[in-house]
Amino acid sequence: QKEVEQNSGPLSVPEGAIASLNCTYSDRGSQSFFWYRQYSGKSPELIMSIYSNGDKEDGRFTAQLNKASQYVSLLIRDSQPSDSATYLCAVNTAGTYKYIFGTGTRLKVLA
Amino acid sequence: DGGITQSPKYLFRKEGQNVTLSCEQNLNHDAMYWYRQDPGQGLRLIYYSQIVNDFQKGDIAEGYSVSREKKESFPLTVTSAQKNPTAFYLCASTETGRNTEAFFGQGTRLTVV
Repeated sequence: QKEVEQNSGPLSVPEGAIASLNCTYSDRGSQSFFWYRQYSGKSPELIMSIYSNGDKEDGRFTAQLNKASQYVSLLIRDSQPSDSATYLCAVNTAGTYKYIFGTGTRLKVLA
Repeated sequence: DGGITQSPKYLFRKEGQNVTLSCEQNLNHDAMYWYRQDPGQGLRLIYYSQIVNDFQKGDIAEGYSVSREKKESFPLTVTSAQKNPTAFYLCASTETGRNTEAFFGQGTRLTVV
């Protein structure tokens, strides 16, 4: 089992819709969870971080964490064509500085 | 401005050559990382270092070597033992402690010719 799993997509949504991206992780000791956006040929940039169960909202983005079920999700409201990118889920395991990334989900927002 | 600088942006390697990718940060971060990314794939951890003069293997360390002689610098050498080195290489750094985000350099694209 991979440590961090994501559906590779592509996930296609129409402009203005809600995009829902999911990520599961295997290490129950994981404490920090991050969503990065990566445009083709560029380095990842941080979108959201979440550390406790529940929802965290920042503008059009909402991160959701459920440690019991070991999943973290990212919702993008009012999706725009500029949101088209690969979204990477990253997990930091407790007691280490090891950041593990998922394979990423490619999102396409159709104008 | 604080940040992470990777160089070169593009690098070409002949078969059997060793090449070194540079990564320098002025964020005063203790931890640094090297990742490899293949087309359409996520980031795979090669090596990481929590403090100077100490580093640990990640998931795909074979064929790579690193050093951490200074806090600011974490160079990666791709040796001739790495049979398929063509990829996009990303360096990152974080503060120590919990709940810290990773900051990335702009990446080095390595191609074997």
